[in-house]
Amino acid sequence: QSALTQPASVAGSPGQSVTISCTGSSSDIGSYDYVSWYQHHTGKAPKLVIYDVSNRPTGVPDRFSGSKSGNTASLTISGLQPEDEAVYYCSSHTTGGTPVFGTGAKVTVL
Amino acid sequence: QVHLEESGPGLVKPSETLSLTCSVSAPFSMSTSPYYWAWIRQPAGKGLEWIGHIYKDGRTDYNPSVRSRATVSLNMSKKQFSLEVRSVTAADTAMYYCAKVVWAYCNVTGCFGDDAFDVWGPGTMVTVS
Repeated sequence: QSALTQPASVAGSPGQSVTISCTGSSSDIGSYDYVSWYQHHTGKAPKLVIYDVSNRPTGVPDRFSGSKSGNTASLTISGLQPEDEAVYYCSSHTTGGTPVFGTGAKVTVL
Repeated sequence: QVHLEESGPGLVKPSETLSLTCSVSAPFSMSTSPYYWAWIRQPAGKGLEWIGHIYKDGRTDYNPSVRSRATVSLNMSKKQFSLEVRSVTAADTAMYYCAKVVWAYCNVTGCFGDDAFDVWGPGTMVTVS
């Protein structure tokens, strides 16, 4: 069960858009629309920001959006805010019936 | 609104058993809830790792990396679920989180869920030393 691949870091200025990729395989992202994204601030519990590829939980700003193409999923943060600085993890259901997380991407607001 | 909170020893000796409990505060009964109750951990400086989960009927599943050493159990009367990891080593040192998924269900043909964790406990640090 190999971790999904994310870039180590992504940066953007306030108000800009950033996109984080999450690359898997036909055994996970490519086979299911069960991709989720988590925002993790140091010292806090991870927070779900996107589930089922593109759905936002209640209370998550609409500047967070998700998509998927083939074996790769993406999270886009539009209108970047200082409070968006965090580590973001993707996750996917797998053909093994269990979930796998991504390697994590640090988003820096310049 | 659902709240989760982990509890258990913060220090475990190598080769011994790590035992954690997650207390569930929810406006519904765990016996009728369509969720997986899960454990996830994060070693310092590393990413998140799903450990395992349990459904209300007792069916469990585990990460292959810990399957032979881990057990997740459910105590619905106490509104708790628990994790045991046997024969621990320094590699088991991590922040441990309990969590629930957005939805899941199990029937005679198997279990299905979206594996999206929408509620997390604050986490508890466990050191093996």
